[in-house]
Amino acid sequence: AQSVTQPDIHITVSEGASLELRCNYSYGATPYLFWYVQSPGQGLQLLLKYFSGDTLVQGIKGFEAEFKRSQSSFNLRKPSVHWSDAAEYFCAVGAGTNAGKSTFGDGTTLTVKP
Amino acid sequence: DTAVSQTPKYLVTQMGNDKSIKCEQNLGHDTMYWYKQDSKKFLKIMFSYNNKELIINETVPNRFSPKSPDKAHLNLHINSLELGDSAVYFCASSQVSGGRAEAFFGQGTRLTVV
Repeated sequence: AQSVTQPDIHITVSEGASLELRCNYSYGATPYLFWYVQSPGQGLQLLLKYFSGDTLVQGIKGFEAEFKRSQSSFNLRKPSVHWSDAAEYFCAVGAGTNAGKSTFGDGTTLTVKP
Repeated sequence: DTAVSQTPKYLVTQMGNDKSIKCEQNLGHDTMYWYKQDSKKFLKIMFSYNNKELIINETVPNRFSPKSPDKAHLNLHINSLELGDSAVYFCASSQVSGGRAEAFFGQGTRLTVV
């Protein structure tokens, strides 16, 4: 069975600082990997996805993520965080042709200090 | 137009009542889902449904039932509501055929059982 671990429950960074959110997955074959963001009181919005090909994927809002098969990781990065990036971030892994039936990590809460 | 819309956004009801949450997607997707997000923000899939197959997460009580009048709608009906059902429920959809199926989420329905 597939699983996702987000080791950091809560991260605080200063505005303008760089950000990296960790995600580790467990899956027997090449997974479909996603990062979603949830702002307070809102639904989930897809930031970026990895299916195949280039292991560094670019997403919306200046985010990027790198798929590292050897480490079973898909970490999310942003070079300079904005106050509006404060939110809950979820990594998810989908399997096979039904990637929409994703398994989500428990989320990382990002706080941005002024 | 909102891609995936849920109604109501907030629902407060008494224990023992029966309630429904409606979901509609205008993306032409072939598969729809219901997710539950608890107070710790953990996100778990409840159902995955297309016109061929209903997949039920085995942990979901049978008081919960999805009802799909057509491909664009997947409503969630809950019988005999309990305090522990209080959560945010998200509807989502994806296009599974074609194999590249990230999920698009609705804004959520916050259910409070009193």
